[in-house]
Amino acid sequence: EIVLTQSPTTTAASPGEKVTITCLASSSVSNMYWYQQKSGASPKLLIYSTSSLASGVPDRFSGSGSGTSYSLTINTMEAEDAATYYCQQWSSNPLTFGSGTKLEIK
Amino acid sequence: EVQLVESGGGLVQPGRSMKLSCAASGFTFSDYYMAWVRQAPKKGLEWVASISYEGSSTYYGDSVKGRFTISRDNAKSTLYLQMNSLRSEDTATYYCARHDTIGFAYWGQGTLVTVSS
Repeated sequence: EIVLTQSPTTTAASPGEKVTITCLASSSVSNMYWYQQKSGASPKLLIYSTSSLASGVPDRFSGSGSGTSYSLTINTMEAEDAATYYCQQWSSNPLTFGSGTKLEIK
Repeated sequence: EVQLVESGGGLVQPGRSMKLSCAASGFTFSDYYMAWVRQAPKKGLEWVASISYEGSSTYYGDSVKGRFTISRDNAKSTLYLQMNSLRSEDTATYYCARHDTIGFAYWGQGTLVTVSS
């Protein structure tokens, strides 16, 4: 099983600040997916195939990486971005999610 | 508009069975893989199972393999999850999701399953 380790576990950012969340895989994966989950809501797809923005996602979000190291960046933090973010892979079975990064607004 | 509506959750005793359903609308159901993803209270996301277009291929997470069965009825645009030998650690909100090539593009609102005596 490929284990995805996210860092930080929790972080806070001021409006306008740049935020980067990292996802390290225990073995190389070909693509990474990112989801946003706001409190009390279902998850929402943000990024697919490592760096492609899902439909309707603001372009302040971006994804990058390769091999075992991937990242999600929010270029300019907004209050509505406060949420928990998860990375996910299915390069090999079983499909796995990272443990999540909680992002709060300062 | 894509809609996924789960049902069938509730309180169940350890060792018993429960079957979840997910009614899909707004897209051609048989054109997509479908999946179940769960989330224990205050915990992260855990993939449970996925199923191919016609149901000929199924995939399971290690923690549910041999106990849970994913299936689908394309004529009814409905996804199912049969859960047997339930344990307390299966307590979670179970989400139905459309498993696109780009990831889990659409999610239902979830149904809560509580396993307790």
